[in-house]
Amino acid sequence: GQQLNQSPQSMFIQEGEDVSMNCTSSSIFNTWLWYKQDPGEGPVLLIALYKAGELTSNGRLTAQFGITRKDSFLNISASIPSDVGIYFCAGNAGGTSYGKLTFGQGTILTVHP
Amino acid sequence: SQTIHQWPATLVQPVGSPLSLECTVEGTSNPNLYWYRQAAGRGLQLLFYSVGIGQISSEVPQNLSASRPQDRQFILSSKKLLLSDSGFYLCAWRPSRNQPQHFGDGTRLSIL
Repeated sequence: GQQLNQSPQSMFIQEGEDVSMNCTSSSIFNTWLWYKQDPGEGPVLLIALYKAGELTSNGRLTAQFGITRKDSFLNISASIPSDVGIYFCAGNAGGTSYGKLTFGQGTILTVHP
Repeated sequence: SQTIHQWPATLVQPVGSPLSLECTVEGTSNPNLYWYRQAAGRGLQLLFYSVGIGQISSEVPQNLSASRPQDRQFILSSKKLLLSDSGFYLCAWRPSRNQPQHFGDGTRLSIL
């Protein structure tokens, strides 16, 4: 089945630093999504990408849909303490997949003030 | 506006007891609905999805079952819980094709 490799698994950074994380897939996806999860809560959608090469921003967050359709990255600029959490990439193969998502294992982000 | 509700938020159950977790969506019709399990705060595993009333697809063999008795209601059940059923259970929905999934706040299930 499809697998997503998300890296890094964890990051410890200082407030104000930029952050970059990425996901690679063994197969092609038609949609890439990035979510953030706070402890004890459900994941919250950050950015959705629907076209190969698409670059989309949401405030300090920027994500790109890789040209090969097998990868995506998320950048966070000028990190702040509230950026702490687990970030997940997720991909959907489209077609008759009924919107089913394959998730990466997550990147745990810690921001030191 | 569209919202999703899951309850209970936390649940502690003995091994061998039954389970019923409920998820409801408001402000939309005919959504696709999904149940996920998350172990140890990492990685979400899709358990079931539904594209309509009474239509359930299972993604992995397990001790759980799902039902969709109404358009905006999705229920996760078990007749006899196992220790391995412990985890964080998340319900998600999407309104239509080419729309992303949105998640509820989850249920933390602990089996004793």
